[in-house]
Amino acid sequence: AQSVTQPDIHITVSEGASLELRCNYSYGATPYLFWYVQSPGQGLQLLLKYFSGDTLVQGIKGFEAEFKRSQSSFNLRKPSVHWSDAAEYFCAVGPATGGGNKLTFGTGTQLKVEL
Amino acid sequence: SQTIHQWPATLVQPVGSPLSLECTVEGTSNPNLYWYRQAAGRGLQLLFYSVGIGQISSEVPQNLSASRPQDRQFILSSKKLLLSDSGFYLCAWNRGDRGETQYFGPGTRLLVL
Repeated sequence: AQSVTQPDIHITVSEGASLELRCNYSYGATPYLFWYVQSPGQGLQLLLKYFSGDTLVQGIKGFEAEFKRSQSSFNLRKPSVHWSDAAEYFCAVGPATGGGNKLTFGTGTQLKVEL
Repeated sequence: SQTIHQWPATLVQPVGSPLSLECTVEGTSNPNLYWYRQAAGRGLQLLFYSVGIGQISSEVPQNLSASRPQDRQFILSSKKLLLSDSGFYLCAWNRGDRGETQYFGPGTRLLVL
């Protein structure tokens, strides 16, 4: 069965510093990979997605992610973090087995930004 | 463009009372629909999904049920709420094609007392 691991539950960075959030997945075929962001009390917003092609994917809000098949990773990066980036970030892989075009989500990484 | 609505935004209910949460999608037809629960400090747990009217798949055994009475309407229900039903409930939709992005609603915060 597919799975997603986000090893960092909490990360704190200073504003202006670079950021990397880790995501490792287990999937039996070519995966579809997603990063979502969730602000407190809100729904999830898509940051970026990888389906095929260029392994470096650009997203909204200055985020990017790199798909590395050999490492089964899809890490999210941002060169300079802004205070407004403080939120929870979820990595997801799909589609899950059993139909329904389902996604499997990681448990999330909570990002805190110090001013 | 497509939008997804959830109602209500916040709900406080006593233990043993019934529940009905509504999710509606606009601007698309025949979407896949999903209900997730997010407990405090935890990730997303898929509760139900639906690929069409009247077609409901349950992912985990629980106190809740789901229905899809119309193409773009997804209802989450319970006859008797438990304390453990408290959480943040998210509805999502996507198109049926493989790997399509899921788009999320704003969520409903449920507190069972």
